[in-house]
Order: sequence, then C-alpha cells, then structure tokens
Amino acid sequence: DTGVSQDPRHKITKRGQNVTFRCDPISEHNRLYWYRQTLGQGPEFLTYFQNEAQLEKSRLLSDRFSAERPKGSFSTLEIQRTEQGDSAMYLCASSLQDRNSPLHFGNGTRLTVT
Amino acid sequence: DAKTTQPNSMESNEEEPVHLPCNHSTISGTDYIHWYRQLPSQGPEYVIHGLTSNVNNRMASLAIAEDRKSSTLILHRATLRDAAVYYCILRDRQGLDSNYQLIWGAGTKLIIKP
Repeated sequence: DTGVSQDPRHKITKRGQNVTFRCDPISEHNRLYWYRQTLGQGPEFLTYFQNEAQLEKSRLLSDRFSAERPKGSFSTLEIQRTEQGDSAMYLCASSLQDRNSPLHFGNGTRLTVT
Repeated sequence: DAKTTQPNSMESNEEEPVHLPCNHSTISGTDYIHWYRQLPSQGPEYVIHGLTSNVNNRMASLAIAEDRKSSTLILHRATLRDAAVYYCILRDRQGLDSNYQLIWGAGTKLIIKP
C-alpha cells in the first residue's frame, strides 16, 4: 500500500520566494484534492482535479497559487511570492470517482515563510 | 462555516469505550455523515461513514439519530493510539461541486489517559 505521498515534508522559505510542492496520489485514484491546514483548525479546501481537469477552486486560492495535474497522475501546487500568511500545512488527498469514496490523505508539506 | 459542531476536546481512559458526539442540525436528505481522524503530524485518516442506519467497521461504530440531526462515533475500547483529532463532516451524495470542499470544523481532540 503506497498511499499518497507528498514532497517535501518540510519547506522553509523567505518571503517573496516561490515554492512548489508535489503530490503523488494512489495510482488508481482519478480525483486529487489540495487542502491547507493551520494550527488548531481543520483542513481548508483549495482545489480539486478529476484526472487532469481542475474542476473547482476555492476563493482562498489567490492568483499567487496555481495547481496542475498534467497527465492525470501526480500534481504540483506552486505558490509565487510567498507571504508569511502562507505558512501552513498543505495536504493532498486522492479518491476514486465514486462520490462517497473516502479521501486518502498524504502526510502533508509544512511550509514556513520567514 | 462548518455544517457540524463538535466539542473541542474529550478525555477518556484507556480500554474504555468512547462516544464522540456531532451535531448537524441542518443536514439535508442527501448528506452522508463522514468521520475522519488526524493523528499528530499526519494527514487525516478516514474512519467511517453512514447515511441513516448505524454502521460498524473494524475501526469504529457510527450511531445516527433517527432525525439525522446528530451522530455519535463509538470507539469500543480506546487505546493510546486512538489519541487524535476527530472530524465529523457532511458529504452530499448527489456530488454537487461544493461537496468536494468538505467543510471541516476544528474537530474534537480526544485525549486518552493510561
């Protein structure tokens, strides 16, 4: 069971720099989700893909954020011109297409912007 | 805003049953009730879900009130490894776009005392 993997686990960057995170979902899952989580709060939805199509984006996803899933397999989340308020845990999840299929989460990438 | 409300924290003794409550008074007829838990430094993990009838699996039981406005996650014999934040969320089985946002509250932090 390879599960959902995310890379890197931790990222420290200076304000204004760009960062990119990678998510490898469970191979047979065609849905992929990105969430953001701050300390003491539940995950906040950012965006999701069905195969390579990005079907929904949250209002939280400003113009500085972009996500891709070029071949319907792995996904990347890029944050440009990082701000201190971007510091959070970024979680990726995947699921089967069945609407009630459970989400399988990775262990996240913790971003610290100094 | 989260569609569910849960106590901020609960304590239980090891090897005793734990009942975690969740209120969802605005639940619609098409909403499934899902539970996830998040161990420290990990992504959320699916626990169980149900619609109307009580459900059991290897991890837990889910008891759903007759009017569906509340539910209870039951851990039959808590261990130290069950110490986590437990989230109760609603998923629309019709699969409307907003379904994938899975609005999460802050969850219940379960503390297990040895």
